[in-house]
Amino acid sequence: SQQGEEDPQALSIQEGENATMNCSYKTSINNLQWYRQNSGRGLVHLILIRSNEREKHSGRLRVTLDTSKKSSSLLITASRAADTASYFCATAPSGSARQLTFGSGTQLTVLP
Amino acid sequence: EAEVAQSPRYKITEKSQAVAFWCDPISGHATLYWYRQILGQGPELLVQFQDESVVDDSQLPKDRFSAERLKGVDSTLKIQPAELGDSAMYLCASSLGHRTFLPDTQYFGPGTRLTVL
Repeated sequence: SQQGEEDPQALSIQEGENATMNCSYKTSINNLQWYRQNSGRGLVHLILIRSNEREKHSGRLRVTLDTSKKSSSLLITASRAADTASYFCATAPSGSARQLTFGSGTQLTVLP
Repeated sequence: EAEVAQSPRYKITEKSQAVAFWCDPISGHATLYWYRQILGQGPELLVQFQDESVVDDSQLPKDRFSAERLKGVDSTLKIQPAELGDSAMYLCASSLGHRTFLPDTQYFGPGTRLTVL
């Protein structure tokens, strides 16, 4: 079963614009991770945020976590055509730091 | 850079046939995962190994699926017999996994695309 739900399901923007994707989940978590998947390929880890953290940055990525609302957001700034991919949030439940449950993903298209 | 290897990349089979997928994790990674990803959805965990032991196989359809990691290194996932609904991408991932209660980054292989006719 899918724990996380991403919103929107699909997002299309122009190169240079910012892209924001949201993730909501249902149960208490140990950590939340974001992964990226290019079409027909495996997933690539982007960033991990622990339940006691509120915000993390990595290059052009910014992740926020609101455990009271059971939600997270991923912001990609100054997007590039190469950012076109599916983005998934994955949650590890409290008591199991590494057993991930993935959401259904957001398909991001960055137009040149 | 070390990568997770999977083979074959593509497999087409007829229903009721047996299929097997192979995964070689990053050297030194103790934890190995098999996921199934249906088109348009996120990956769903089938089985998780810690070294050669199964940690979680609660979502593995055990009447037709089996997985093993005999020496705690590479792993094989088998389906017998295959059904039409098994058509999906099968992804293998590995992580360091040496401290059970700490978060881990999972490294994914390229996957095996299975089509059952």
